[in-house]
Amino acid sequence: KAGVTQTPRYLIKTRGQQVTLSCSPISGHRSVSWYQQTPGQGLQFLFEYFSETQRNKGNFPGRFSGRQFSNSRSEMNVSTLELGDSALYLCASSQGTGGGDTQYFGPGTRLTVL
Amino acid sequence: QKEVEQNSGPLSVPEGAIASLNCTYSDRGSQSFFWYRQYSGKSPELIMSIYSNGDKEDGRFTAQLNKASQYVSLLIRDSQPSDSATYLCAVNIGGGADGLTFGKGTHLIIQP
Repeated sequence: KAGVTQTPRYLIKTRGQQVTLSCSPISGHRSVSWYQQTPGQGLQFLFEYFSETQRNKGNFPGRFSGRQFSNSRSEMNVSTLELGDSALYLCASSQGTGGGDTQYFGPGTRLTVL
Repeated sequence: QKEVEQNSGPLSVPEGAIASLNCTYSDRGSQSFFWYRQYSGKSPELIMSIYSNGDKEDGRFTAQLNKASQYVSLLIRDSQPSDSATYLCAVNIGGGADGLTFGKGTHLIIQP
């Protein structure tokens, strides 16, 4: 089975711009979660989508949003980029039965905001 | 807010010895626990999941869970230089979702 894929792998943006990242889950997985990883804060949960609905959300401002399509692929969007948004953005997929299915991570998108 | 605590290290262990990594969590209602390994510049990869009190073994790895003490640990036997990485402890966020709360990780160095 193919693993979780994320595109693009690297992005450079400037402050004030917006960005969209894409994630394709493992075939058959219906849940996609997004995380932000920075050296200072570590891995932080952004949100999770299941069956095109946001199932849970972390403590991030409204500039961070996401969606999921009927084929379980997911996108996240960050608007009005700030320097502090520079990070590795990881998505993870799971079967989605809830209550702690194992999550498998994609390779990540490295976002640099200048 | 749920918290997961780990000693950031670095934890230095001689090759062939047992590496012991520890993690505590704040939410007594947590049900699902995971250990991930992350090499520098790479994404986290799953080592082990554990859901019940006690030990769970997989090859050289043993996860231990004590819900009463809100404590999870990972033992690595016969440590190899390739085990050098950051080890992340994660706890399910609950509420019927699969999202995880992560500790900040322990940097493990296996000395040849």
